[in-house]
Amino acid sequence: AQTVTQSQPEMSVQEAETVTLSCTYDTSENNYYLFWYKQPPSRQMILVIRQEAYKQQNATENRFSVNFQKAAKSFSLKISDSQLGDTAMYFCAFPAWDAGNMLTFGGGTRLMVKP
Amino acid sequence: NAGVMQNPRHLVRRRGQEARLRCSPVKGHSHVYWYRQLPEEGLKFMVYLQKENIIDESGMPKERFSAEFPKEGPSILRIQQVVRGDSAAYFCASSPPRGSPGSTDTQYFGPGTRLTVL
Repeated sequence: AQTVTQSQPEMSVQEAETVTLSCTYDTSENNYYLFWYKQPPSRQMILVIRQEAYKQQNATENRFSVNFQKAAKSFSLKISDSQLGDTAMYFCAFPAWDAGNMLTFGGGTRLMVKP
Repeated sequence: NAGVMQNPRHLVRRRGQEARLRCSPVKGHSHVYWYRQLPEEGLKFMVYLQKENIIDESGMPKERFSAEFPKEGPSILRIQQVVRGDSAAYFCASSPPRGSPGSTDTQYFGPGTRLTVL
């Protein structure tokens, strides 16, 4: 069974600073995607960034980037120049590639951006 | 381009009543997933459907819960004889078929239905 672990239940960061959220996972698959989703107070699940496991290059989307370490099964999210609107729950998610692609989510990290 | 739509957004039921949650996937998406989120927890997979077929329901309770995705119309998650423990946010996600042009296995989520059982 796949597992996804987010070891930081809560984090805070000052506005304009950088913060890194950690995620580790366990799988026997070789080709897969990894995702970070954001859930603001509205409860909507918003895709933040996606990483393809077979790509060496870390994914980047504007202020969001990942540090993907395939051998270590680590997939951390870095948020640069944090903004108040980044305050949300962040979930790391891993799809079951060979079993219908349903997502396994980590327990989430609650990020508070302080003015 | 309409995203995933879910209705109702909020649903209140008394114990023993039935709850019906609806999900309209992104146009062109044939895969639908239902997830449940209990308070202060992450999302947990419930069921995966394609048009007219349940592909995987391993995450769905065996009793009182059922799901369908008919040829026409939205996907429905049905909870019979609700109990207080069913109170949660229920999210629907859709994705295009694997291997379709531009497919990246990404699931796009609806806004969720928050079910409260009194």
